[in-house]
Amino acid sequence: EPEVTQTPSHQVTQMGQEVILRCVPISNHLYFYWYRQILGQKVEFLVSFYNNEISEKSEIFDDQFSVERPDGSNFTLKIRSTKLEDSAMYFCASSEMGADGYTFGSGTRLTVV
Amino acid sequence: EDQVTQSPEALRLQEGESSSLNCSYTVSGLRGLFWYRQDPGKGPEFLFTLYSAGEEKEKERLKATLTKKESFLHITAPKPEDSATYLCAVTGSNYKLTFGKGTLLTVNP
Repeated sequence: EPEVTQTPSHQVTQMGQEVILRCVPISNHLYFYWYRQILGQKVEFLVSFYNNEISEKSEIFDDQFSVERPDGSNFTLKIRSTKLEDSAMYFCASSEMGADGYTFGSGTRLTVV
Repeated sequence: EDQVTQSPEALRLQEGESSSLNCSYTVSGLRGLFWYRQDPGKGPEFLFTLYSAGEEKEKERLKATLTKKESFLHITAPKPEDSATYLCAVTGSNYKLTFGKGTLLTVNP
């Protein structure tokens, strides 16, 4: 069964450092997403990406965050200057048609120290 | 703003003891209501999509139903391997998912 692959599975970084989280969506999917889940809290929407541009972003997704699809297979989330409160599980997801059939990756656990 | 409330927060069942999980929602123009299963340290795993009131879907011991205000996930004769957090989410006028906090289900053998 096709799956969304995320790397690394766990990343520890110092406050103020830049991190890049990587995702390989399912190959025939057109819509890409990043969500995050702070420990013990809801899964929260960050950003959606379609046709090589951001289609929607949440209030969380401020100027410190950016997304990119550098080639035909990868989808990345960059946090320019990490803060302690950025510590969370970050999930990448993709779908073929809008919100239907979302498939999530296993996540990257980001720990900012 | 879309809102999803799930209850109970936690549910402990004995193996074979059927029960239901509730998801109440407020959304402007429901596109779809989704149920996911999440195991510790993993991403949400898709279970069902429901699109309109009255719709029902089944998969093994799980059955999801939808009304205009809420959805139920019925678990029939659960097994220990059904233990997980069950997440409900909705999409409205856009394609983003709004999640509830989830119900942590524990099934004891």
